[in-house]
Amino acid sequence: ILNVEQSPQSLHVQEGDSTNFTCSFPSSNFYALHWYRWETAKSPEALFVMTLNGDEKKKGRISATLNTKEGYSYLYIKGSQPEDSATYLCAFLNQAGTALIFGKGTTLSVSS
Amino acid sequence: NAGVTQTPKFQVLKTGQSMTLQCAQDMNHNSMYWYRQDPGMGLRLIYYSASEGTTDKGEVPNGYNVSRLNKREFSLRLESAAPSQTSVYFCATLLGVGQETQYFGPGTRLLVL
Repeated sequence: ILNVEQSPQSLHVQEGDSTNFTCSFPSSNFYALHWYRWETAKSPEALFVMTLNGDEKKKGRISATLNTKEGYSYLYIKGSQPEDSATYLCAFLNQAGTALIFGKGTTLSVSS
Repeated sequence: NAGVTQTPKFQVLKTGQSMTLQCAQDMNHNSMYWYRQDPGMGLRLIYYSASEGTTDKGEVPNGYNVSRLNKREFSLRLESAAPSQTSVYFCATLLGVGQETQYFGPGTRLLVL
């Protein structure tokens, strides 16, 4: 089973700070990289699905980039707000398109 | 359109008891997954079914069995529950290979005493 690593494990920032997290995944047999936002006591919600090397996606203040050759993706949050507090998960989908393997997540806490 | 549903929402078992967690989807998705969520461990894949009639082991399959009953339903069975299986279990679905996202059920909280 493939290894998907996320760093940092947790992060605490002040309201208004910008921040970013890293997801590392196998560069071979790549098909897609997913990002999810997961609030406590809720189900994970999809943010982005990225498939192309160099891809950059944006949703409001959140954006993500993808480097499939070196096997990493960054998630950026600009001007963090307390409602951004959550665990952010990335997940790797292989070329067979069958198994979606998750990292352990980065837990973000934003103080007002 | 209910999306992904899971039953039960909460269950308490004694060690050695068996139970089946049910998952159903009405989105006509091909792939279905069972994950467990434990503190500091993120989501770990237990089993998945890429299509009706097929099942495969994930990262942590020991102590579990699954059945893809039909395209809509994917059940997870604990034959002899252990305290280590105390967790929150999420079922998820994926349409297939492509730029779609995975949809999650609301989760089942299982406590094994």
